[in-house]
Amino acid sequence: GQQLNQSPQSVFIQEGEDVSMNCTSSSIFNTWLWYKQEPGEGPVLLIALYKAGELTSNGRLTAQFGITRKDSFLNISASIPSDVGIYFCAGQALWAGANSKLTFGKGITLSVRP
Amino acid sequence: DAGVIQSPRHEVTEMGQEVTLRCKPISGHDYLFWYRQTMMRGLELLIYFNNNVPIDDSGMPEDRFSAKMPNASFSTLKIQPSEPRDSAVYFCASNPQGSRGTGELFFGEGSRLTVL
Repeated sequence: GQQLNQSPQSVFIQEGEDVSMNCTSSSIFNTWLWYKQEPGEGPVLLIALYKAGELTSNGRLTAQFGITRKDSFLNISASIPSDVGIYFCAGQALWAGANSKLTFGKGITLSVRP
Repeated sequence: DAGVIQSPRHEVTEMGQEVTLRCKPISGHDYLFWYRQTMMRGLELLIYFNNNVPIDDSGMPEDRFSAKMPNASFSTLKIQPSEPRDSAVYFCASNPQGSRGTGELFFGEGSRLTVL
C-alpha cells in the first residue's frame, strides 16, 4: 500500500530558529496536507496543497507541493514554544475518486527550547 | 461553532467487555471518518461514511469492530469483545461535502481506550 515517510521522528530546536520538515512517498498524490497535533487533542489542518509546485503560506508556516508529486515540505519560521507538537503529512490520490482515503505519515515531534 | 464531539474521552475496561465510542460530527458535514491512533501504526482509517452510508470499511481490523451512523448527527464505533491490543486513541473526523476532496478533516479530541 501507499506509505509516507517522515523523518526524523523528533526535532529539537531553539526558540526563534527555523525548521523544515519533509515528507516523501513512493506513490504520486495530487493532494498534500499538513496537520498538527497537540497533546490530548486531535490533529488540526494547517495547510492543504492541490497543485504540483504550489507554495502556500499560513502565517509563519509555508508548505510546498513537490514537482514530482511524491513529496512535500513544511517550513516553520521563527519558532515559538507553542509550535510544539506532532506534525503529520497526509496525501490523497483524487484520481481514485474524490472519496479516496488519506494516507498519513507517522509524524515528526517538534520540541522548542525557550 | 461546535466542533466534532466525541465521548467518552477516556475509557478503561477489561478484556472481553463491550466498548461503545460515540461521535457527533459538525452540523452540515456529510462525511464522517473513524481513525485509530497508536504509537506503532500511527493514524489508521477504520471506516468512513457519506450521508450516513458506510463507503469503505476495509480498515476495520476484524469482526469484533462495527460502526453505525443512524442519522447525520451521530455515529458509534463498537468493539465486542474488546482485547488489550485494541488499546489506542480513537478519533472521529468530519468533512463537508463540496470541499476539494475529503482530505480537509475536522477531528474530534479523541477517545482514549485502555483494555486491561
